[in-house]
Amino acid sequence: AQTVTQSQPEMSVQEAETVTLSCTYDTSENNYYLFWYKQPPSRQMILVIRQEAYKQQNATENRFSVNFQKAAKSFSLKISDSQLGDTAMYFCAFGETSGSRLTFGEGTQLTVNP
Amino acid sequence: DAGITQSPRHKVTETGTPVTLRCHQTENHRYMYWYRQDPGHGLRLIHYSYGVKDTDKGEVSDGYSVSRSKTEDFLLTLESATSSQTSVYFCAISVGPGQYFGPGTRLTVT
Repeated sequence: AQTVTQSQPEMSVQEAETVTLSCTYDTSENNYYLFWYKQPPSRQMILVIRQEAYKQQNATENRFSVNFQKAAKSFSLKISDSQLGDTAMYFCAFGETSGSRLTFGEGTQLTVNP
Repeated sequence: DAGITQSPRHKVTETGTPVTLRCHQTENHRYMYWYRQDPGHGLRLIHYSYGVKDTDKGEVSDGYSVSRSKTEDFLLTLESATSSQTSVYFCAISVGPGQYFGPGTRLTVT
């Protein structure tokens, strides 16, 4: 069974600065998908970014980018130019295939301070 | 928002009573999922469906059942609610490589 670990329960950053959230996972699969979801206080789960394991290029979505290290089974999220609206719980998730169930980490609560 | 709704959004019920949560989607996606969210555990899969009448168990399925008689509806039933089932429940659909979530249902079992 796959496991996903987020070792930072809480983090904080100053507005406009950069922050990196860590995620490690364990799997014996060679191809899979990794995701970062954002959950603001509204409770809505929002897909932030995804990475396909067979793609070596790191995914980027505006201010959000990932550092995917397949050999190390590491998938970190970098948020640049942090904004107050980035304050949320962030979940890392693993999916074996397109359409498969997801395994989530425990989450990292990020607070952006003014 | 991927056209997913959940009902009710909030519910308080007593131990031992049956409860049914509904997930409705408007886009005919094949795969649907029920997760529960608890502090310190992230989201955990309860049950999922890969088509009408086709369902399977997730990692925390004890005490829950599901049904899917139509593509657009996926029901989660707690046959006899217990306090340990107090949680936030999310429905999700699979759209390509990724899932999109409904707004969640906060269930409190007293």
